Amino acid sequence: QSVLTQPPSASETPGQRVTISCSGGSSNIGSNYVYWYQQLPGTAPKLLIYRNNQRPSGVPDRFSGSKSGTSASLAISGLRSEDEADYYCAAWDDSLSVHLFGGGTKLTVL
Amino acid sequence: QVQLVESGGGVVQPGRSLRLSCAASGFTLSSNAMHWVRQAPGKGLEWVAVISFDGSKRNYGDSVKGRFTISRDSSKNTLYLQMNSLRAEDTSVYYCVKGRLRSIYYGMDVWGQGTTVTVSS
Repeated sequence: QSVLTQPPSASETPGQRVTISCSGGSSNIGSNYVYWYQQLPGTAPKLLIYRNNQRPSGVPDRFSGSKSGTSASLAISGLRSEDEADYYCAAWDDSLSVHLFGGGTKLTVL
Repeated sequence: QVQLVESGGGVVQPGRSLRLSCAASGFTLSSNAMHWVRQAPGKGLEWVAVISFDGSKRNYGDSVKGRFTISRDSSKNTLYLQMNSLRAEDTSVYYCVKGRLRSIYYGMDVWGQGTTVTVSS
């Protein structure tokens, strides 16, 4: 069981907006940056969001991140079929001195 | 262009050892923290270990602490993961991942394609 909690699945229709949550605690999300990674089927993960809400070059602005207290969220607007993937949140934990990943959310574009 | 290429995976018996390598190109290993992350079949991502840009700090996940050692060879621009006393539950795809910054506390950006380790008798 992950210390960072994500819903195991999410689904939405093309063109719509979906939000994926990531809940943690004061020693991880509450005091450190949150990162989001996208893993397309059969491929290695890719950085999607860093420092809570920053997008690396090449990531469409349809993807956005936010953080409030000990929770974070990833929003994807204008959903496309190619957004179907597993999404993971991550953060450093000051108490455990480890990097943590959420359990992952499988996004289905209906 | 930053690239990470892992090697060294394979099938190994429980209790034996294996060393993974990660050849980096397009950047200097000594400029960034470096991580290993693994993913068991059909499961999520699990962080394994990190080494700081200068090698002075190394941290490990609880499930591998005392059995795995992360290291690097700056002259070869290569990262390693020495895995001892392997168990069936270590079976995973192992990814070499570049840290965004020098410190171990920040997240990762560029991922390798992964190398598969299977622990089985």
